[in-house]
Amino acid sequence: DAGVTQSPTHLIKTRGQQVTLRCSPKSGHDTVSWYQQALGQGPQFIFQYYEEEERQRGNFPDRFSGHQFPNYSSELNVNALLLGDSALYLCASSLNPGVNTGELFFGEGSRLTVL
Amino acid sequence: DAKTTQPNSMESNEEEPVHLPCNHSTISGTDYIHWYRQLPSQGPEYVIHGLTSNVNNRMASLAIAEDRKSSTLILHRATLRDAAVYYCILRGNTPLVFGKGTRLSVIA
Repeated sequence: DAGVTQSPTHLIKTRGQQVTLRCSPKSGHDTVSWYQQALGQGPQFIFQYYEEEERQRGNFPDRFSGHQFPNYSSELNVNALLLGDSALYLCASSLNPGVNTGELFFGEGSRLTVL
Repeated sequence: DAKTTQPNSMESNEEEPVHLPCNHSTISGTDYIHWYRQLPSQGPEYVIHGLTSNVNNRMASLAIAEDRKSSTLILHRATLRDAAVYYCILRGNTPLVFGKGTRLSVIA
């Protein structure tokens, strides 16, 4: 049973460019959350998708957008990249976003470097 | 979001028990206490969670104070593979909110 898979694992972009990161959730999971982790910090919540809609959002600008597909996979898009967007982007999948006991399964992340 | 306070770092000898503390004095009645850990170069992984009673699983034990204002994650025999950042998180009907966690070093 494959866990959460993310692609690409590493990428380098320049300021002003746009990037798309992809996530396939654990089999059977219907909810995908995205997190940004800067070096030496804990992951910061970006947003959560369930039933192809953004359900909750953290304190991130509109440059960060996402999508969830009917097969529950998800994309994170970041426009007009800034140097400060350099981070590890983590995808987590779970069941039923309204359940506060639900365990999140994380992927290994996509490491984005903005030059 | 309810906040937690953890020591920045802790050190343990291999094969000894480790007690990782967490203070959460503003916890609400419906908040669950979750623990995740993040090994180097990996995403976080779930360790354990509880509400009021102490909990045990194959990875660890969670001891929750009677007033729920603090909790302790217990690793019964630390191994080198337990070296990681451990996050204590309060979760209501909201996404997980991570703090900086406790960096655990295990010495052989």
